[in-house]
Amino acid sequence: EVQLVESGGGVVQPGGSLRLSCAASGFTFNNYWMSWIRQAPGKGLEWVVNINQDGSGKYFVDFLKGRFSVSRDNAQNSLSLHMNNVRADDTAVYYCARSGGYGWDLWGQGTMVTVSS
Amino acid sequence: DIVMTQSPDSLAVSLGERATLNCKSSRTLLYSSNNQNYLSWYQQKPGQPPKLLIFWAYNRESGVPDRFSGSGSGSNFTLTIDNLQAEDVAVYYCQQYYTTPITFGQGTRLE
Repeated sequence: EVQLVESGGGVVQPGGSLRLSCAASGFTFNNYWMSWIRQAPGKGLEWVVNINQDGSGKYFVDFLKGRFSVSRDNAQNSLSLHMNNVRADDTAVYYCARSGGYGWDLWGQGTMVTVSS
Repeated sequence: DIVMTQSPDSLAVSLGERATLNCKSSRTLLYSSNNQNYLSWYQQKPGQPPKLLIFWAYNRESGVPDRFSGSGSGSNFTLTIDNLQAEDVAVYYCQQYYTTPITFGQGTRLE
């Protein structure tokens, strides 16, 4: 089955770190750009980062540069988002998504991150 | 950054009727070298991830009913849903991928 499954969300204190993972299956992972998109509770969608097929190209939204990083392991068909120095406004559902070059044609169910003391 | 503005914020339409959702970008999304508009539409139902409906402004994603259609060019776009069904109740987002940062509209809630 073609799918993306996120994991790693939870409650983290302000200033803490968290690593989100996304497991891909059912398609040739290393053929696709991948992305993380987030959605704060009751709010709209916000693009976080794109990473190209071999991981050499990473494009972040400006205000997250320096705090978040992204990586992929094509041998394991996995994508990761490393979140550092998290803040309350990082609270959101984080979605992993596959880029078809024209938008995101496959999404995971999302993993919830709550930043709270 | 390209700002995407959707209108209306919410829309109530009767079953079987037509819904018209609008999206305006602060810059053109038409790339002259390939004559494509870098604009997609997504549907998001409660508790679910978004689903791609339309890409390149008017191309329907595989499996999307032909009741859904996209139109427009440049900086003004429309998603039209004909013969509205109960399962179409959702929030609809437009999104530009002309340049980074990739940006979304604020969404239109269809009731």
